Amino acid sequence: AIQMTQSPSSLSASVGDRVTITCRASQGIRNELAWYQQKPGKAPKLLIYAASSLQGGVPSRFSGSGSGTDFTLTISSLQPEDFATYYCLQDYNYPRTFGQGTKLEIK
Amino acid sequence: EMQLVESGGGLVQPGGSLRLSCAASGFSLSSYWMTWVRQAPGKGLEWVANIKQDGSLEHYVDSVKGRFTISRDNAKNSLYLHMNALRAEDTAVYYCARDMTPYEGNIYYDAFDIWGQGTMVTVSS
Repeated sequence: AIQMTQSPSSLSASVGDRVTITCRASQGIRNELAWYQQKPGKAPKLLIYAASSLQGGVPSRFSGSGSGTDFTLTISSLQPEDFATYYCLQDYNYPRTFGQGTKLEIK
Repeated sequence: EMQLVESGGGLVQPGGSLRLSCAASGFSLSSYWMTWVRQAPGKGLEWVANIKQDGSLEHYVDSVKGRFTISRDNAKNSLYLHMNALRAEDTAVYYCARDMTPYEGNIYYDAFDIWGQGTMVTVSS
C-alpha cells in the first residue's frame, strides 16, 4: 500500500497567517490526491481533489499543488473556522490511503 | 437536501457480526461509487472499502478482506457494510461517503463530497 506522510503533525498559527501543510507519497501518484478538513465530532469535508481542483463552495484561500510524490495544501490567510485537522488521501491505487493528519491549532 | 444517514452501529463481542446501513436522500445512489471510511477513537481516517455504481466491483483495505462485505441496494437507495469476525481493532466511527468521481484530463478521481454523520462500532467483551 502507498504510504502518505504529512508534515507537520501539528501546527500552531494565528488568524491571518499563511499556512502550508505537506503530504508526501511513498511512490509517484501523479496528481491523484485530495485534501479533507475535519472538525472534532464531525465528518470530514472535501476541500480539494486532483491535487489542485477546489471543491465547490470552498473558500479561495484554500489551494493545493503538487504532482508525483510531493503535495501541499496552503491556506493563504487563516480564519477562525479553519482550525481543524487536515488529511490528504491518495486515489492513485487501492487501497486508498490517508495521511496521518495535521492538527492546526490556534497560537 | 442531499444527505447520507448511517445506522446499525453498536456494541458487539469479538468474533461477532454487525451490518451497517447508509441511507441516501436527495439524490440517487445508483449514479455514484460509494465508500466506507472509519476512524478509531482519537485516531486518523482509514479508507475501508468502496463499490461501483452497479455493485459489480468492490475494493477493500487488506485488514478487512474476507471479513467485511460492502453491498448496495439501489432500489432502496442504500449502502451496506456487512462486518463479520469483528476484532477490537475494528472499533471506530464508520462513515459512508459519496464519491462524485470527477473526470479531468482522462482521469477519474475520487472526491468524497457528501458524508454521513457516522455510526460508532465498539468491539469489546
